[in-house]
Amino acid sequence: GESVGLHLPTLSVQEGDNSIINCAYSNSASDYFIWYKQESGKGPQFIIDIRSNMDKRQGQRVTVLLNKTVKHLSLQIAATQPGDSAVYFCAENSATGNQFYFGTGTSLTVIP
Amino acid sequence: GAVVSQHPSRVICKSGTSVKIECRSLDFQATTMFWYRQFPKQSLMLMATSNEGSKATYEQGVEKDKFLINHASLTLSTLTVTSAHPEDSSFYICSARGNRWGGIRGYTFGSGTRLTVV
Repeated sequence: GESVGLHLPTLSVQEGDNSIINCAYSNSASDYFIWYKQESGKGPQFIIDIRSNMDKRQGQRVTVLLNKTVKHLSLQIAATQPGDSAVYFCAENSATGNQFYFGTGTSLTVIP
Repeated sequence: GAVVSQHPSRVICKSGTSVKIECRSLDFQATTMFWYRQFPKQSLMLMATSNEGSKATYEQGVEKDKFLINHASLTLSTLTVTSAHPEDSSFYICSARGNRWGGIRGYTFGSGTRLTVV
């Protein structure tokens, strides 16, 4: 496997503030990345994706930034809402395979 | 579209027994399915990749004789945890990739199965 999560970092933000969640990936050959949101007891939900030929992609209230030089991804959530409270994972996919490997994850708590 | 149904959502079994978890693609044909395991407050760890009609490919460190995977049809993959022990207690999640999706974006996750071995 690739990146393996050993613990879960936490992030607390006030409702209405912007959130930035970071992820370091391990395989320089990975060419496709997805951010997932996982609520307690549920499977991951797709948020946004980005290919390695891009460095930024925007969705509704979310932006993903990719820095291939340092193998780093970030997820920015604008005007964070209580419903955004969840665990967020980045997942990387290698050009040579179908598998997705998940990063450590970050637990986001939005304070009303 | 692209719904994956996983069953059961929760199961409690006695140590030494076997448990089967089903993963179904409801509205698409899943040529490839993936099984993950997740311990509390940890990330998802890929266990194996199964392709319809062929043997599963297991990740390093995953015992193929303990975690039996069958992908006999384009809409169903099963994971059987054989001779389960308390350390096998975990959240098991499947993911499916459909052949109708042009891009690799077509990965959908099931809702997970909470296995507790007592």
